[in-house]
Amino acid sequence: AQSVTQLDSHVSVSEGTPVLLRCNYSSSYSPSLFWYVQHPNKGLQLLLKYTSAATLVKGINGFEAEFKKSETSFHLTKPSAHMSDAAEYFCVVSDGTYKYIFGTGTRLKVLA
Amino acid sequence: DGGITQSPKYLFRKEGQNVTLSCEQNLNHDAMYWYRQDPGQGLRLIYYSQIVNDFQKGDIAEGYSVSREKKESFPLTVTSAQKNPTAFYLCASSTDRSFEAFFGQGTRLTVV
Repeated sequence: AQSVTQLDSHVSVSEGTPVLLRCNYSSSYSPSLFWYVQHPNKGLQLLLKYTSAATLVKGINGFEAEFKKSETSFHLTKPSAHMSDAAEYFCVVSDGTYKYIFGTGTRLKVLA
Repeated sequence: DGGITQSPKYLFRKEGQNVTLSCEQNLNHDAMYWYRQDPGQGLRLIYYSQIVNDFQKGDIAEGYSVSREKKESFPLTVTSAQKNPTAFYLCASSTDRSFEAFFGQGTRLTVV
């Protein structure tokens, strides 16, 4: 069965410093993986997706993620945090059917 | 612009009442989904539909019902059998399995 583990429920960084949000997955198949961002009381917006093409995936707002099959990881990074990045981030795996498996989320706090 | 529209944004329900949450999409997507989000948890799947006139239960379908009479619409009814309906409800759609899901802005349901 597919599963997703977000290793940190909360992450705090200073503005201008790098961001690292960690995600490990378990999948019996070649997975499709996604990162979404959610601002308070809003829907989810897609940041980036991996669908078995390039292992380094670039997304919107300067985010990127690297698919590492050997480590079953799909960590999200950004070189320099901005105040507007403060939000909740979800790592998601598609199990090859019509179902998406969501991690429990990482709340990112950006300090001035 | 194409997208998913959920209405209303806020909804209040008295104990023992059924309420219906609306979800409409103009993306021409075949698949549609309903998720429930509670504080500190990821999204949990209530129901999903791969095609018109067909839908499947998700992980927490008890106390909920759906219909899919049109490709564009996937309303969710929260019945009086749902013991703890206060939550944030998100509707999503996708064009195919393993492709990213697009989300509406959510409906916050509160029982008063």
